[in-house]
Amino acid sequence: EIVLTQSPATLSLSPGERATLSCRASQSVSSYVAWYQQKPGQAPRLLIYDASNRATGIPARFSGSGSGTDFTLTISSLEPEDFAVYYCQQRSNWPPYTFGQGTKLEIK
Amino acid sequence: EVQLVESGGGFVQPGGSLRLSCAASGFTFSSYWMHWVRQAPGKGLVWVSHINSDGRSTNYADSVKGRFTISRDNAKNTLYLQMNTLRAEDTAVYYCARERPRILSKPLDCWGQGTLVTVSS
Repeated sequence: EIVLTQSPATLSLSPGERATLSCRASQSVSSYVAWYQQKPGQAPRLLIYDASNRATGIPARFSGSGSGTDFTLTISSLEPEDFAVYYCQQRSNWPPYTFGQGTKLEIK
Repeated sequence: EVQLVESGGGFVQPGGSLRLSCAASGFTFSSYWMHWVRQAPGKGLVWVSHINSDGRSTNYADSVKGRFTISRDNAKNTLYLQMNTLRAEDTAVYYCARERPRILSKPLDCWGQGTLVTVSS
C-alpha cells in the first residue's frame, strides 16, 4: 500500500501570505495525485487533479506541482476562506486509493 | 445541479448492521464509478470502497473487507453500502463521492454531505 505523508501537519500563516503544502509518496505515483480542501462541517472539495490541473471553479491562486514521489500544493496569496484542512490522494497503485493525513492551514 | 445525498446513518451497537444510501441527481449516474469514503471524528479521510459503473466490479479497504458490501441501482440512481458486524472503529461520517472519468488520477469531483454512523454499546 502506498503511504502519503503530508507536511507540515499544521501551517500558521496570515492572509496575503504564500502557502506551500507538501505531499510525499512512499513510492512513485507518477502524476496520479489529487488535492482536496475540507472546511469544518463540510464535505471535501476537489482542488487539483493529475498533480497540476485545477478543478472547475477553483481560483488561480491554487496551483499544484510535482511528479513521482514529491508533490506540492501552493496558494499564492491566502484569502480568509482558504484556511482549512488540505488532503492529497493517490490512485496510482490501487486499491486502496490512499489519502494523506492532512495539513491544517490556520490563521496566524 | 449535480447532487449526492446520503442517508441511513445512525446509532448501532457493536455487531449490528446498517445500510447507507446515496441518492444521485443532476448527472447520468450509470456512467460513473462511485466511492464511499469515511472520516472518524477529528481524523482524516479514509477510502472505504468503490464500484464501477455497471456494478460488476468492486473493491474494498482491508479494514472492511468481508463485512461491508457496496452496490448500486442504476435505475434508481442510488448507491448503497451494506455494513455488517460493525465495530466501534467504524464510527465515522460516511461520504459517497463520484469519480471523474477519463482523468489519470481519477479524482473524486463531487461529494455528498455525509451521514454519521456511531457504533457504541
